[in-house]
Amino acid sequence: EPEVTQTPSHQVTQMGQEVILRCVPISNHLYFYWYRQILGQKVEFLVSFYNNEISEKSEIFDDQFSVERPDGSNFTLKIRSTKLEDSAMYFCASNSGQGADEQYFGPGTRLTVT
Amino acid sequence: AQSVSQHNHHVILSEAASLELGCNYSYGGTVNLFWYVQYPGQHLQLLLKYFSGDPLVKGIKGFEAEFIKSKFSFNLRKPSVQWSDTAEYFCVRRDDMRFGAGTRLTVKP
Repeated sequence: EPEVTQTPSHQVTQMGQEVILRCVPISNHLYFYWYRQILGQKVEFLVSFYNNEISEKSEIFDDQFSVERPDGSNFTLKIRSTKLEDSAMYFCASNSGQGADEQYFGPGTRLTVT
Repeated sequence: AQSVSQHNHHVILSEAASLELGCNYSYGGTVNLFWYVQYPGQHLQLLLKYFSGDPLVKGIKGFEAEFIKSKFSFNLRKPSVQWSDTAEYFCVRRDDMRFGAGTRLTVKP
């Protein structure tokens, strides 16, 4: 069964550094998403992406964040100048956009900012 | 913005007990709803979904949910829980993919 993959599984970075979280969505999917889950808190929507542009973003997704689909398979989340409060689990998801199709989630990347 | 709310933050049950986790959605727009589960150390998996048709939806692992329009609810149920059902459960509305706060279920053996 096809699945969404994410790398790395765990990323440790120092405050102020830039990180890029990578996702490979399911190959025939058209909609892509990033979410984050701070430890002990709810899953929060960050951004959705379709047709090579952001279709929706939350208030969390400020200028510190950006997304890109650099080639036909990867979908990346870049966090510039990381802060301690960016420490969280980041989930990528994809969806075919057809009918009753649900989102398929990746295993997540745990980001630790020290 | 449309949203869902889950009122039970942590539910503790013994094995074989019946389960009902609440989910309420806000009025307006097309209502398509999911329940996702996150087992310890694993990623989010779909339990079941409602788009249209029969309001009683059957999912994996013996779970079901009933869409009750008059109550704006989509509660998750299971008649007899097992220890392996220990997990975090999320109600999600498809049109904005906002997650509810989640309910942590602990099943005692």
